[in-house]
Amino acid sequence: DAGITQSPRHKVTETGTPVTLRCHQTENHRYMYWYRQDPGHGLRLIHYSYGVKDTDKGEVSDGYSVSRSKTEDFLLTLESATSSQTSVYFCAITDNSGNTIYFGEGSWLTVV
Amino acid sequence: SQQGEEDPQALSIQEGENATMNCSYKTSINNLQWYRQNSGRGLVHLILIRSNEREKHSGRLRVTLDTSKKSSSLLITASRAADTASYFCATDVNTDKLIFGTGTRLQVFP
Repeated sequence: DAGITQSPRHKVTETGTPVTLRCHQTENHRYMYWYRQDPGHGLRLIHYSYGVKDTDKGEVSDGYSVSRSKTEDFLLTLESATSSQTSVYFCAITDNSGNTIYFGEGSWLTVV
Repeated sequence: SQQGEEDPQALSIQEGENATMNCSYKTSINNLQWYRQNSGRGLVHLILIRSNEREKHSGRLRVTLDTSKKSSSLLITASRAADTASYFCATDVNTDKLIFGTGTRLQVFP
């Protein structure tokens, strides 16, 4: 257990509504990531952060924004959810070596 | 995308048999990692192999890396039903992030 908590774990929302997923870590690690996992696509990187207020885009960043105001929290926001954003979202952190990624348990989001 | 591709997509074997899955990638890497995911859970790191290494062992796991072919293989020896999971390779695009493949679903029957 790498001390990563995602919330909510499950959410159903309507198209067009804003949604925020929260990732909280207790490890004080610098790097945090948001991935989405879909059948046939594996895990795809949405955004990542390399420090407080320092973020960058991943492979599939369109429609998503992130914020990191504290080391321990990394928020993923869908400003206006669409059905194509129905997915499982994983938060992850890296250890101090920067090599190994530790994942949270996932957040299941359904957009209806 | 510089995503890795695992092969096969799905694999079914009996307990006690060996399971081999392969990963191909597109660009030069510093290291390659393998992760495991049980159904409904997050991914768990299994093993890391650096670009200057050719083979690495960890318990019943054996990983090989061929940088000339841009490929890696994960061998699980003497499989157990508890090994049933999806297995992913991941390559470092740069020092900031890992890119994952699409995974191999392994089913081990008792």
